[in-house]
Amino acid sequence: DTGVSQDPRHKITKRGQNVTFRCDPISEHNRLYWYRQTLGQGPEFLTYFQNEAQLEKSRLLSDRFSAERPKGSFSTLEIQRTEQGDSAMYLCASSIGQGRTEAFFGQGTRLTVV
Amino acid sequence: GESVGLHLPTLSVQEGDNSIINCAYSNSASDYFIWYKQESGKGPQFIIDIRSNMDKRQGQRVTVLLNKTVKHLSLQIAATQPGDSAVYFCAENNNDMRFGAGTRLTVKP
Repeated sequence: DTGVSQDPRHKITKRGQNVTFRCDPISEHNRLYWYRQTLGQGPEFLTYFQNEAQLEKSRLLSDRFSAERPKGSFSTLEIQRTEQGDSAMYLCASSIGQGRTEAFFGQGTRLTVV
Repeated sequence: GESVGLHLPTLSVQEGDNSIINCAYSNSASDYFIWYKQESGKGPQFIIDIRSNMDKRQGQRVTVLLNKTVKHLSLQIAATQPGDSAVYFCAENNNDMRFGAGTRLTVKP
């Protein structure tokens, strides 16, 4: 499978726990995006990387959220001290070049905080 | 702030009819747009894109129209099929990529 891969597909966690999600972009895609999506809404931009550099973070990304892409390939998104409001689908997308090109999404990680 | 939005939240069409999904954007400097289709429980799927130096682009059964004067995009689906039922998003892709709320398309047999 040469598409964007996200792991896990589903995660149930207790409030206050930390969770980490992984995204493997399409090989040689320089740009990687993270989004959050709640039911009935469009994807909300969280952050994006150009290779290993995190170039923009949304104000939605509170200090409990952190994302990394240490070697410019896979990326992780960590949420510390999860809250019920963090329950959502977390989506990753990648594209070649420096933006303004086709971006392809993974299937997402569905997070449920109980 | 700048945003991407959609005129209608739902659209219902008869199988075989053409569908038109609209999208308004507010950033006049935006120069690249993408339409995505999202089925329940899945990630958005790329359909077609258009750059601001074009007014129209055609794909297989889909056409995107861009009117920069009024900052409006539309996605036309010809001969709509039940498999086209999904939520459709337009995205404004500058350095980041911003989405509107989406339009749910329902195709009646």
